[in-house]
Amino acid sequence: EVQLVQSGAEVKKPGESLKISCKASGFKFTSYWIGWVRQKPGKGLEWMGIVYPADSEVRYNPSFQGQVTISADKSINTAYLQWSSLKASDIAIYFCARHRTPYSGYDGFDYWGQGSLVTVSS
Amino acid sequence: EIVLTQSPGTLSLSPGERATLSCRASQSFSGSALAWYQQKPGQAPRLLIYGVSSRATGIPDRFSGSGSGTEFTLTISRLEPEDFAVYYCQQYGSAVPFTFGPGTKVNIK
Repeated sequence: EVQLVQSGAEVKKPGESLKISCKASGFKFTSYWIGWVRQKPGKGLEWMGIVYPADSEVRYNPSFQGQVTISADKSINTAYLQWSSLKASDIAIYFCARHRTPYSGYDGFDYWGQGSLVTVSS
Repeated sequence: EIVLTQSPGTLSLSPGERATLSCRASQSFSGSALAWYQQKPGQAPRLLIYGVSSRATGIPDRFSGSGSGTEFTLTISRLEPEDFAVYYCQQYGSAVPFTFGPGTKVNIK
């Protein structure tokens, strides 16, 4: 069974760093692009970027480039999204998701994690 | 960046009625690289349609997708109670980012 299990909710202060995770199982992790999607409270979906775990190639949405770092560790089938300095505007649910077709860098997402809520408050 | 516009923003219908949701792109993109997702409150999105018109695994045949160029449609032939949700389109046929539309909320009338 394909599963993407994300790390739990986080409460951080402005300026703090954070790394959230997405643990994959039930499929060959190195064959699929994994993406991150942001959803601010009560708002729509924003495509942040994707990573190919086989070689760690990352493609960013220019709107998020420099603001976050997307990575993957193929030895433990886990993708990551990290911030070096959180802002109040980063408050959102972050979803990881898998591209539908193996090896395809151009695709929709067929399996999704449950979401990780990030709260930033002083 | 390709901008997707969805209409209407909200659709109020009764169970059993037909729902027609529109997604328009700011420019055309390659292939049939358009997907539709359903999202219910507190849940992750669920892939309904990929490649403009192919249903994802386990999606009932009352959901269908169509369109080409810059105009795309998701049709729900007869609304079931569980279909009341927000629907997003996404294009993945251009250079990144693979943008989502703003969503259409289907409400119970």
